[in-house]
Amino acid sequence: DVKVTQSSRYLVKRTGEKVFLECVQDMDHENMFWYRQDPGLGLRLIYFSYDVKMKEKGDIPEGYSVSREKKERFSLILESASTNQTSMYLCASSTAGQYNSPLHFGNGTRLTVT
Amino acid sequence: DAKTTQPPSMDCAEGRAANLPCNHSTISGNEYVYWYRQIHSQGPQYIIHGLKNNETNEMASLIITEDRKSSTLILPHATLRDTAVYYCIVRVRSNFGNEKLTFGTGTRLTIIP
Repeated sequence: DVKVTQSSRYLVKRTGEKVFLECVQDMDHENMFWYRQDPGLGLRLIYFSYDVKMKEKGDIPEGYSVSREKKERFSLILESASTNQTSMYLCASSTAGQYNSPLHFGNGTRLTVT
Repeated sequence: DAKTTQPPSMDCAEGRAANLPCNHSTISGNEYVYWYRQIHSQGPQYIIHGLKNNETNEMASLIITEDRKSSTLILPHATLRDTAVYYCIVRVRSNFGNEKLTFGTGTRLTIIP
């Protein structure tokens, strides 16, 4: 079974802190994604990557950056956390080279910024 | 990506078939319909996908209308564990994986004992 692991289930940070959310997948997937999920807004795509060192902006990239130095790891960075970044963050991966392979999600990191 | 419209909530009696509709009237010819579900406090889980033919797997069936403007996910014998938010999304056929997927707000399905 594909496993997508997010480093923390719950995280509490202070305004202005630099925050790293880590995601690791064990299936050699080329594509990795970061979403945030908020009540009433569904899942919104922040960034995605289809190869090592490659990244593409999603729908709401402002205030975030990402890093993909190794194929299995995709990090989401909040350079200076703000209270409006309090949310559930979901990482996902999928394989390229096959038409329309499903996304596999981690169980999420619930981030609270105070 | 085509936009999808789903009812915000539905109830279904345990043991009955749950039929979840999705409208995607602006879908293009190369866009697949995907269904995911999210059980409370977990990440979304893939259920099924299709292009134009009906599809069935161990979890569900997917019925796509002939004009492809709408589809229905069918859970044939709903159990309490099927209580979740169900997302219908459309996805462009891509061999390169450099695509972005847009989720809507989904349908909250509640299975009634």
